[in-house]
Amino acid sequence: GAVVSQHPSWVICKSGTSVKIECRSLDFQATTMFWYRQFPKQSLMLMATSNEGSKATYEQGVEKDKFLINHASLTLSTLTVTSAHPEDSSFYICSAGLAGDERNQYFGPGTRLLVL
Amino acid sequence: GQNIDQPTEMTATEGAIVQINCTYQTSGFNGLFWYQQHAGEAPTFLSYNVLDGLEEKGRFSSFLSRSKGYSYLLLKELQMKDSASYLCAALDSNYQLIWGAGTKLIIKP
Repeated sequence: GAVVSQHPSWVICKSGTSVKIECRSLDFQATTMFWYRQFPKQSLMLMATSNEGSKATYEQGVEKDKFLINHASLTLSTLTVTSAHPEDSSFYICSAGLAGDERNQYFGPGTRLLVL
Repeated sequence: GQNIDQPTEMTATEGAIVQINCTYQTSGFNGLFWYQQHAGEAPTFLSYNVLDGLEEKGRFSSFLSRSKGYSYLLLKELQMKDSASYLCAALDSNYQLIWGAGTKLIIKP
């Protein structure tokens, strides 16, 4: 089956620093990658959708200058949380989709970010 | 607007059966997913329904009624490891997943 990895799985950083999270599709080429954020006891909130080689589409209320998304290849997308603050502490999950198989999203294991 | 409703929390006994309901309102509809999510982990796929009816997969079954905007996930022979959150998500006309808040299922011995 399709496997998606995320790195790092856990990150603790100081307030004001930037953190980069990588999402890789290991055995398939993902034309579309999705970035979600999940706060404790809440459901997944879609932050943005990125297609390889084009700019990401951000959901309403998500600051594109704060959450930088780069989808440079069909197997890699990165999310950079710039100038992180404690309220950015959350569980960040990416998922990847295959062209022509829009029904299915394959989820990465998630990255837990704690900003002190 | 688009909306998914499911109960916040349910409790059941080991070995029993539990049904988790989900109602949805979306702009267009391309199917309904159920995911299982253990604490601190990403969701894992359980089922996908796009046609009316019941789909059975081992101890888990999922039902869909498109006319009623309703689905349920049925878990049989409950095991302690089934304690998790169960997320209902509908795929809208743009193939975007609309997520419910999840139902936390607590299994008691």
